[in-house]
Amino acid sequence: GNSVTQMEGPVTLSEEAFLTINCTYTATGYPSLFWYVQYPGEGLQLLLKATKADDKGSNKGFEATYRKETTSFHLEKGSVQVSDSAVYFCALSDRSGAGSYQLTFGKGTKLSVIP
Amino acid sequence: DTGVSQDPRHKITKRGQNVTFRCDPISEHNRLYWYRQTLGQGPEFLTYFQNEAQLEKSRLLSDRFSAERPKGSFSTLEIQRTEQGDSAMYLCASFRGDSGRALGEQFFGPGTRLTVL
Repeated sequence: GNSVTQMEGPVTLSEEAFLTINCTYTATGYPSLFWYVQYPGEGLQLLLKATKADDKGSNKGFEATYRKETTSFHLEKGSVQVSDSAVYFCALSDRSGAGSYQLTFGKGTKLSVIP
Repeated sequence: DTGVSQDPRHKITKRGQNVTFRCDPISEHNRLYWYRQTLGQGPEFLTYFQNEAQLEKSRLLSDRFSAERPKGSFSTLEIQRTEQGDSAMYLCASFRGDSGRALGEQFFGPGTRLTVL
């Protein structure tokens, strides 16, 4: 079956520090990969996505590259801000037998950025 | 507001009671998903509709759970005889998809937080 493993948190960084959150996956097919973010008190929002090998998704200074050979999709940001404090979820979407393209999520990584 | 909406946002109930949640997806989205998220975990898939047809159900969806999407618009998720283990955030997401690969994103609603006492 499909699964996503991501770095366990919580992660605490100082403002302007470099961020990496590791994510690896197992999929039976050729999945699309996503990073979702959940800010305190809000719903899940898509942060970035990649749909094929070597694609780089980027948004708001965050980047992740679809690495098929290592089955990874690590999230990076060069300089975090206090406003980046949130829970980050790595997810994949793969065609199921019923064609649902349901999302399979990792457990989430809570990031706290301190001034 | 043209996003996904869910109602109610919070529900507190006593064990054994029935509860029903509603999800209104983005209007042109033909696919609708329900997920459940417990504390400290990522969302887990429960069930999926394409238009009005319920095409897939997770093993997590016990016989006490039922979902409908009449006319392919809004959806309801009912839990009968609630148990304390049902306490979670119930998330709805919608997506406009065809038979090809899922290149787009699922849009999530704010969720309904259920507490079973």
